[in-house]
Formats: sequence, C-alpha cells, structure tokens
Amino acid sequence: AQSVTQPDIHITVSEGASLELRCNYSYGATPYLFWYVQSPGQGLQLLLKYFSGDTLVQGIKGFEAEFKRSQSSFNLRKPSVHWSDAAEYFCAVGPFSGGYQKVTFGIGTKLQVIP
Amino acid sequence: NAGVMQNPRHLVRRRGQEARLRCSPMKGHSHVYWYRQLPEEGLKFMVYLQKENIIDESGMPKERFSAEFPKEGPSILRIQQVVRGDSAAYFCASSDRRDDGDGYTFGSGTRLTVV
Repeated sequence: AQSVTQPDIHITVSEGASLELRCNYSYGATPYLFWYVQSPGQGLQLLLKYFSGDTLVQGIKGFEAEFKRSQSSFNLRKPSVHWSDAAEYFCAVGPFSGGYQKVTFGIGTKLQVIP
Repeated sequence: NAGVMQNPRHLVRRRGQEARLRCSPMKGHSHVYWYRQLPEEGLKFMVYLQKENIIDESGMPKERFSAEFPKEGPSILRIQQVVRGDSAAYFCASSDRRDDGDGYTFGSGTRLTVV
C-alpha cells in the first residue's frame, strides 16, 4: 500500500531563511507526487507536482521540490521564506490505479515564520 | 470560474442529528472526491463519484455515511445520526477527467462540529 511520511510536524524558520520540508513515500512504482499548502481555514492549494521527467520541479510562490528515487523522497524547498508562507504543507502520493487517482496525504508540516 | 464551492463553511449539529454537506465542482468537472481531515491528521480519502455513480467508496465508514452526485445539482455527503467523532473538516475536490494528473482542485471545506 502507498504511504507518505512527513517526519516534521512543526517547523519554525526566520523570515528570509531557507526552508526544506521533508517527505518520504512508499510505493511500488514511480508515483505521482504532489505538494499542497493549506492556509488556516482554507482548502488545499496545489504548489507543484511530479509525474516524470526532470526530477527538479518548480512550483508556484517560489517553491521547488526534488524527486529522489533512491531515497524515496520528494522534499520541498524555498530559498527565502516570507511571512506569508506560514501555513500547513501536505505531501501527497497518487498512483494511477484503476483509471483514477486516489491520493494519499501525509499528516502535514506546520510552518511558522518568525520576524 | 468560481472554483469548487462547498457549503456550508461551518456546520454545528447535535449528536443524533443529520449533517448534509454540499459540493459544487468546478464548471465542466464531472469527477468528485470527498476527503476528511481529522484534527492533527492529514486528509483521508472517503469516496470518489462521477455523475450518478459511486466509483470508489472504500474510505467511507460502513454505517451512517452516504454520498451522491446526481445528474443535476451538487454532490452531497450525508452523515446520519452524527457522533462527536464525526467532528472534522470535510473537503471536496473535483477534476475534469478520470486520469487527472494535474492534481485536484479543492474546495475550502466544511467544518463540522458535533456537540
């Protein structure tokens, strides 16, 4: 069965500092991988996705993520964090099963940004 | 395009009452997914529907929960005889094709509180 692990429940960074959020997945083949962001009281917004090709993918809001098959990881990065990035971030994996996607989400990482 | 619309945003029910959550997918989307987010947990898949059909309800509790997506109108997630453990945020997502590799478009969710 597919699964996603986000080992960091809470992360605090200073504004302007770099950020890396970790994500490890378990799946028997090449998965579809996603990062979503959820602001308080809001729904989820897709930051970026990986299906195939270049293992470094660029997303919105200056985020990027790198797929490393050997490590089963898909870590999210941003070189300089802004206060507005404070939110909860979810990594997700979605196989192509039965002609549709059933995405499995990690438990999320809450990001706090301090001045 | 108004996006995925969920209502109500907040719903309070007493134990034993019924809760009805509505989801209007994006225009042109005929695939709807419901997810539940319990406190301090990630989103869990509940059910996948196409117009007038339930495709996968493997994530739905066996009792008290039902979902529909009629030919006309929104998708409805219905919870009968609610209990405190049903308190959660319920998210709907839609896509325009069966093998949507672009990730889902999520609504802002309905936060159900059972008192």
